[in-house]
Amino acid sequence: DAKTTQPTSMDCAEGRAANLPCNHSTISGNEYVYWYRQIHSQGPQYIIHGLKNNETNEMASLIITEDRKSSTLILPHATLRDTAVYYCIAERGGGADGLTFGKGTHLIIQP
Amino acid sequence: EAGVTQSPTHLIKTRGQQATLRCSPISGHTSVYWYQQALGLGLQFLLWYDEGEERNRGNFPPRFSGRQFPNYSSELNVNALELEDSALYLCASSILTGGGYEQYFGPGTRLTVT
Repeated sequence: DAKTTQPTSMDCAEGRAANLPCNHSTISGNEYVYWYRQIHSQGPQYIIHGLKNNETNEMASLIITEDRKSSTLILPHATLRDTAVYYCIAERGGGADGLTFGKGTHLIIQP
Repeated sequence: EAGVTQSPTHLIKTRGQQATLRCSPISGHTSVYWYQQALGLGLQFLLWYDEGEERNRGNFPPRFSGRQFPNYSSELNVNALELEDSALYLCASSILTGGGYEQYFGPGTRLTVT
């Protein structure tokens, strides 16, 4: 799996859009970009994933640069419940390797 | 739709004993993954089961083993427990969607080895 780099922590005001960056400059053509989050002591929660195109679902949007070397997860209207550690993972689509979780970004939503 | 369930929630064992952890995937999911999250460390991939077979394992010793049953539920066994096996053990089930594997995690089993 390609190595990903994320900021250690970020703050965002409640109600604002939270933009979480991720660098994956060594990503290979068959690796997807996945985002998960983990609220303290709970199991990780799947958010979104993509290969080349931007993706949107009910939780978030994923913007992948054209060269695929970086991406941004956007939470459009952050709430206090979005405070969590967010993990960006680059992994092949076959599922064989399991997910490699790094240290992630601790996102703190401020009231 | 019920999510991934795990049992027990907490498990306390002494060094040298065996622990058995159980996982029920989301209905329709055939793949089950196991992860270990030790205190202060990231999630580490342990095992992957699909259609009843072990498909891959992470960098863990053979005393970590498991199986997947015909109903796709899974069991993780840890033999000869060591103090450093104390951790949150997470199970995830997955389904292939458009080329990617979304994994859905259970709440975990917290194993404490004394």
